[in-house]
Amino acid sequence: DAGVTQSPTHLIKTRGQQVTLRCSPKSGHDTVSWYQQALGQGPQFIFQYYEEEERQRGNFPDRFSGHQFPNYSSELNVNALLLGDSALYLCASSSPSDRGYEQYFGPGTRLTVT
Amino acid sequence: QKEVEQDPGPLSVPEGAIVSLNCTYSNSAFQYFMWYRQYSRKGPELLMYTYSSGNKEDGRFTAQVDKSSKYISLFIRDSQPSDSATYLCAMTQYNNNDMRFGAGTRLTVKP
Repeated sequence: DAGVTQSPTHLIKTRGQQVTLRCSPKSGHDTVSWYQQALGQGPQFIFQYYEEEERQRGNFPDRFSGHQFPNYSSELNVNALLLGDSALYLCASSSPSDRGYEQYFGPGTRLTVT
Repeated sequence: QKEVEQDPGPLSVPEGAIVSLNCTYSNSAFQYFMWYRQYSRKGPELLMYTYSSGNKEDGRFTAQVDKSSKYISLFIRDSQPSDSATYLCAMTQYNNNDMRFGAGTRLTVKP
């Protein structure tokens, strides 16, 4: 059973550029959440997608946007990159039976902004 | 004051020791409590999931929640070198998907 997968593994971008990160949820899961984890910190909730719509959003600016596809996979887009956006971006999936509290994380995409 | 406080360590113990990891929190509305293990350069792995107060045991791991004190703990018995990782506590409210994490405690178990 494939777990949560994310691509790419690593990414280096320049300030002002745009980036798209991708996530495929665990089999049987239909809800995808995105988190930002700065070095030495716990993950911070960006937003959650369910039924192709943003269901809840954390305290992140509009530069962060997302999308969920009919097959439940998801994308995270970040525009106008800042140096402070350098972090590990984690995708987590959950199933409808547990209301989303048991979340399973992917390995993450490490984004470096120079 | 952060909403979830967790001692970052590092914590170093000999193999076979009992490890105690803790978090405190300020939001009394939190009802769901999780512990994650994160190896270096990997995503967090769900270890324990607890609803409200009480204890939950799974193999060598025991999670405790004391809502009256706003304090949660994870105990690891017979610790192994493979337990060396960063342990993150996480919690959220009913019907709220914004899960709040502690900063993580880095644990090293020495053979």
